[in-house]
Amino acid sequence: DVKVTQSSRYLVKRTGEKVFLECVQDMDHENMFWYRQDPGLGLRLIYFSYDVKMKEKGDIPEGYSVSREKKERFSLILESASTNQTSMYLCASSSGQGNQPQHFGDGTRLSIL
Amino acid sequence: AQSVTQPDIHITVSEGASLELRCNYSYGATPYLFWYVQSPGQGLQLLLKYFSGDTLVQGIKGFEAEFKRSQSSFNLRKPSVHWSDAAEYFCAVGPMNRDDKIIFGKGTRLHILP
Repeated sequence: DVKVTQSSRYLVKRTGEKVFLECVQDMDHENMFWYRQDPGLGLRLIYFSYDVKMKEKGDIPEGYSVSREKKERFSLILESASTNQTSMYLCASSSGQGNQPQHFGDGTRLSIL
Repeated sequence: AQSVTQPDIHITVSEGASLELRCNYSYGATPYLFWYVQSPGQGLQLLLKYFSGDTLVQGIKGFEAEFKRSQSSFNLRKPSVHWSDAAEYFCAVGPMNRDDKIIFGKGTRLHILP
């Protein structure tokens, strides 16, 4: 069964910390995505990548960076966490030229205190 | 501007009843259309997608959706819902190129009465 695995389901960090969210997919997909999901705002794209070492900004990249050193792994980095980054973070992947995510991880609920 | 509207934030239906979730879009060209489902505590799962051809699309879990160009709609339907269908449903619209991004609706939460 295909799988997108996010390293943590729940994470609590403090303001100013550097936070790493990890995502691994086992489907050899070219495309990977990071979204955040907030009540009333739906899903918003933070960053995406369609190849190793490639990255593209999404709609809300400020305060975030990403790393894709290997095809199967896409990391989201909060350089200096702030309380307004408390959210549910979803990683996704897809194959082909399309820009729509096909498979999602179960999400990481991140709380910044 | 490109947008996706799901007019109903919450919908409640009885188990065994039929279901229709509405989705309207605004897009410059013929879009690619998607429905996703998110069960509590989980990520999103792709239910079905429309790219071209037959405007009635069959998906997983017994769902179907119909693309109506004249109404800019892509409504999701199921003839008889099960308690396990309680979830949040997201409509999305997007192109098939890497220059533009998929746009998600805000979601419709489906509640099932026993």
